[in-house]
Amino acid sequence: GIQVEQSPPDLILQEGANSTLRCNFSDSVNNLQWFHQNPWGQLINLFYIPSGTKQNGRLSATTVATERYSLLYISSSQTTDSGVYFCAVGDTGRRALTFGSGTRLQVQP
Amino acid sequence: GAVVSQHPSWVICKSGTSVKIECRSLDFQATTMFWYRQFPKQSLMLMATSNEGSKATYEQGVEKDKFLINHASLTLSTLTVTSAHPEDSSFYICSATSGLDTDTQYFGPGTRLTVL
Repeated sequence: GIQVEQSPPDLILQEGANSTLRCNFSDSVNNLQWFHQNPWGQLINLFYIPSGTKQNGRLSATTVATERYSLLYISSSQTTDSGVYFCAVGDTGRRALTFGSGTRLQVQP
Repeated sequence: GAVVSQHPSWVICKSGTSVKIECRSLDFQATTMFWYRQFPKQSLMLMATSNEGSKATYEQGVEKDKFLINHASLTLSTLTVTSAHPEDSSFYICSATSGLDTDTQYFGPGTRLTVL
């Protein structure tokens, strides 16, 4: 099946800093989503972005499907951004998502 | 919109007992629901896919007789962990897609199962 790798595995930032999270995938995808899992375990949809660029407030994401990677940008980070960020992909014919191992982000005040 | 709920949010049970977890789509009809399992500090792993009115499709290595999935209506799917053992202790998360938007998955808040 498709492989999804995320980097870095862990990231510690000071409040106000910017960061870039990366997701590499091993095959063509028709679905790519970024999620934030908060400390209580709830997964929150950030972006549905199988290709192109999207922005939502301090967050933006870019997927370059031909090169099989996606980037999540967090600007002016806040302590509430802490948690685990997952990239998940779906390929043709399989609607279930395959998750990467996640990036654990800690934003310190 | 697109809210998915799970019940219970946490459960503790004795080894050998069965536990039922409910997953509901509150404001849309979920043609497909997915069940994932997440062990501490690990990623989500798909257990099974269920479509309303049909049998669930299980991932390789997931025992279908142990993890019973029922998707009897367009708003409700249940996962029953039968004869639970301590190694079944995990965080179980469901997600759902609607017939109108089959690409975006909406996740429930999860159920934390502890088997003593």
